[in-house]
Amino acid sequence: GEDVEQSLFLSVREGDSSVINCTYTDSSSTYLYWYKQEPGAGLQLLTYIFSNMDMKQDQRLTVLLNKKDKHLSLRIADTQTGDSAIYFCAEAGFPSGSARQLTFGSGTQLTVLP
Amino acid sequence: ETGVTQTPRHLVMGMTNKKSLKCEQHLGHNAMYWYKQSAKKPLELMFVYSLEERVENNSVPSRFSPECPNSSHLFLHLHTLQPEDSALYLCASSQGTGYGYTFGSGTRLTVV
Repeated sequence: GEDVEQSLFLSVREGDSSVINCTYTDSSSTYLYWYKQEPGAGLQLLTYIFSNMDMKQDQRLTVLLNKKDKHLSLRIADTQTGDSAIYFCAEAGFPSGSARQLTFGSGTQLTVLP
Repeated sequence: ETGVTQTPRHLVMGMTNKKSLKCEQHLGHNAMYWYKQSAKKPLELMFVYSLEERVENNSVPSRFSPECPNSSHLFLHLHTLQPEDSALYLCASSQGTGYGYTFGSGTRLTVV
């Protein structure tokens, strides 16, 4: 099946930039997403990028997409302690050939140190 | 609140019990999903409903039985579960399958 991979952990100092990376295998991906999960909560959609774009900026968030390498990244500028959470990368494709689905990575635990 | 409400938030059940998880959305979405989130594992898609029809059933054991009576409600009926079924069960909805999902806060299920 299709695969989405992320590193499991990232630690940064408050005020620094965080970069969370993701690779995927589905060449039919249309949209790619970043979700945030805080403890005890569901997943919150942060931002998304269409596959024909290579960059999208939304306030402190910058998404970069390298479609050739199937690499997606999320940069958080001026990282704050409230950004500590698990970040999931997801891509929309047809992993089983029927309904379009989101395939999620395992999530990256971002820890922001004071 | 995200627009997708799940109840209960926490559930402890014995292996011989029967219980149901409920999900409700009033976003006007036409697709709904059940996901299982276990510690240190990727999110596992369990079921997809589009326009109230089940379109995906990812090899989920029959002790999990979904029901979608209308486009706003989704249930997951549970019976004779195993301890390894303990997890966070997340419901999501979207307008069209595979587009940005809105998730509920999940039901934390513990099977004893």
